[in-house]
Amino acid sequence: KAGVTQTPRYLIKTRGQQVTLSCSPISGHRSVSWYQQTPGQGLQFLFEYFSETQRNKGNFPGRFSGRQFSNSRSEMNVSTLELGDSALYLCASSLALLSEAFFGQGTRLTVV
Amino acid sequence: ELKVEQNPLFLSMQEGKNYTIYCNYSTTSDRLYWYRQDPGKSLESLFVLLSNGAVKQEGRLMASLDTKARLSTLHITAAVHDLSATYFCAVDVPQGAQKLVFGQGTRLTINP
Repeated sequence: KAGVTQTPRYLIKTRGQQVTLSCSPISGHRSVSWYQQTPGQGLQFLFEYFSETQRNKGNFPGRFSGRQFSNSRSEMNVSTLELGDSALYLCASSLALLSEAFFGQGTRLTVV
Repeated sequence: ELKVEQNPLFLSMQEGKNYTIYCNYSTTSDRLYWYRQDPGKSLESLFVLLSNGAVKQEGRLMASLDTKARLSTLHITAAVHDLSATYFCAVDVPQGAQKLVFGQGTRLTINP
């Protein structure tokens, strides 16, 4: 079966712009979580959605937001981009809460 | 706040040797995961450890969990070059939401 699909795979944006990343979970999975990976901070939790509701949010500024649609697809948005937002953004889906998370290929965002 | 620490962070070893990566975490958790990441790629799930004393093996990799000591180990037997990658352990935060806290990662290089 198809895995977690993230689009786009690569993005280059300018400081001050905004960006939207998309994640399609494995069919039947209802939980989607997002992580940011940088060389300096490692892997950090952004937020998690289950049945269109945000259940948990990491320690990131309000410029980072997300949502989940009724088909479980999720988007995350970063507004007013900063150089430090350059990272690999990973989406993970799981069947339900506290079940194993499967990661997508990620979106590599470069802010210039 | 849950903290996860891995050691060593860098490991260079010869093919055919054995070694162990350690993962310590600071508070009680429901489960522990091991992931592999190749450069520029996403996270590949290796093991999910659910209970005290759990041991799982796949090929040359074996993972174990001691919940009383809050310690997991990933043991590599007779290493081969293909196992070169970065290995992460991650722990579920027991808050009823899907939130993983990751260790810093162990960059493993296996030399022929």
